[in-house]
Amino acid sequence: QVQLQESGPGLVKPSETLSLTCTVSGGSVSSHSYYWSWIRQPPGKGLEWIGYIYYTGTTNYNPSLKGRVTISLDTSKNQISLNLSTVTAADTAVYYCASVVSGTYMIDYWGQGTLVTVSS
Amino acid sequence: QSALTQPPSASGTPGQRITISCSGSSSNIGSNYVYWYQQLPGTAPKFLLYRNNQRPSGVPDRFSGSKSGTSASLAISGLRSEDEAHYYCAAWDDSLSGQLFGTGTKVTVL
Repeated sequence: QVQLQESGPGLVKPSETLSLTCTVSGGSVSSHSYYWSWIRQPPGKGLEWIGYIYYTGTTNYNPSLKGRVTISLDTSKNQISLNLSTVTAADTAVYYCASVVSGTYMIDYWGQGTLVTVSS
Repeated sequence: QSALTQPPSASGTPGQRITISCSGSSSNIGSNYVYWYQQLPGTAPKFLLYRNNQRPSGVPDRFSGSKSGTSASLAISGLRSEDEAHYYCAAWDDSLSGQLFGTGTKVTVL
């Protein structure tokens, strides 16, 4: 069973870059069986897909965030990273990493999530 | 389209059957599978149904799904107190080239 654990600063200043890491256990980020995705949820609101990365390095991002978001893999550490630049208060959310079964859009495992607050 | 449309709330008494609708368009529900996720209070979402109506192991058969055209629905029969949660539908959107989630429905057991 795949397990995911997000980590990173809980507070980011406006205009700075939000950086999070997701450590994967029970599976490999180099596996062709999964896409690795980031999803966020503003407090009290619904889910928003941020983007995903495949083991080949292929990425796909939500157009509403394009230009600000980068997702990357660190195969040596079995980690997935998220960078979101020029943040505003609207980027305050719980950020989840998740595994998406390759060939489907089925999110079978989620991390516990990490709250990131954008505030000066 | 930025999100699939769900009713904000649904409720029922223990043992009742409730349904939650999920409305989309031809570029998402109309041409792709629908998935459902359950989010218990204070926790991460959990995978509930896949490919419109398939249950992974461990999900009770009280949960069922259906799809017709550009809409889908989740039914919960024999409603139990532990079903109190938010429920989200999701589907790939060909125009967005990305995953779309529903607006979410809060289920209350009266």
